[in-house]
Amino acid sequence: AQTVTQSQPEMSVQEAETVTLSCTYDTSENNYYLFWYKQPPSRQMILVIRQEAYKQQNATENRFSVNFQKAAKSFSLKISDSQLGDTAMYFCAFFAAQGAQKLVFGQGTRLTINP
Amino acid sequence: GAGVSQTPSNKVTEKGKYVELRCDPISGHTALYWYRQSLGQGPEFLIYFQGTGAADDSGLPNDRFFAVRPEGSVSTLKIQRTERGDSAVYLCASSTVGGFTDTQYFGPGTRLTVL
Repeated sequence: AQTVTQSQPEMSVQEAETVTLSCTYDTSENNYYLFWYKQPPSRQMILVIRQEAYKQQNATENRFSVNFQKAAKSFSLKISDSQLGDTAMYFCAFFAAQGAQKLVFGQGTRLTINP
Repeated sequence: GAGVSQTPSNKVTEKGKYVELRCDPISGHTALYWYRQSLGQGPEFLIYFQGTGAADDSGLPNDRFFAVRPEGSVSTLKIQRTERGDSAVYLCASSTVGGFTDTQYFGPGTRLTVL
């Protein structure tokens, strides 16, 4: 079974700073996708960025980028030039190519951007 | 286009009652997922539909939980004899065809409170 661990329950930074959220996962699969979802107080999960395990190049989406270390099973999210609107819960998630067809989520990191 | 919608937004019920939670996926999406998110936790998988059929219901916690998707679009999650431990946010997600390469789009969830 796959597991996803987010070891930082809460983080807080000043607006315009860069912040990195950590995520590690455990799997015996070789082919999978990793995701970062954002959940603001409205509760709606919003996809931030995704990474295919077979791609060596780290994914980027504007101010959001990942550091994917497949051998270490690590998938961190970097937010550059953080904005007040980035305040939310962030969840790392895993979806394997084989086996159970579902997202497996970590426990989440509550990120607060201070003005 | 319209996203995933869920009704009701909030539901308060008494222990032992029956509840139904509704999910309207994005039009044309054949894959539909239900997740349950307890306070302070990441979402946990309940059930996955591919079209009208439940392709994987391994996450349903017990036989009090049941879900249907009779016409391959709207889905209803049904909980019988509710217990206080069922209190959580129930999230629905849909994707185009399902599978690990397909992004899941989430609704805003239904917050269920069992008194």
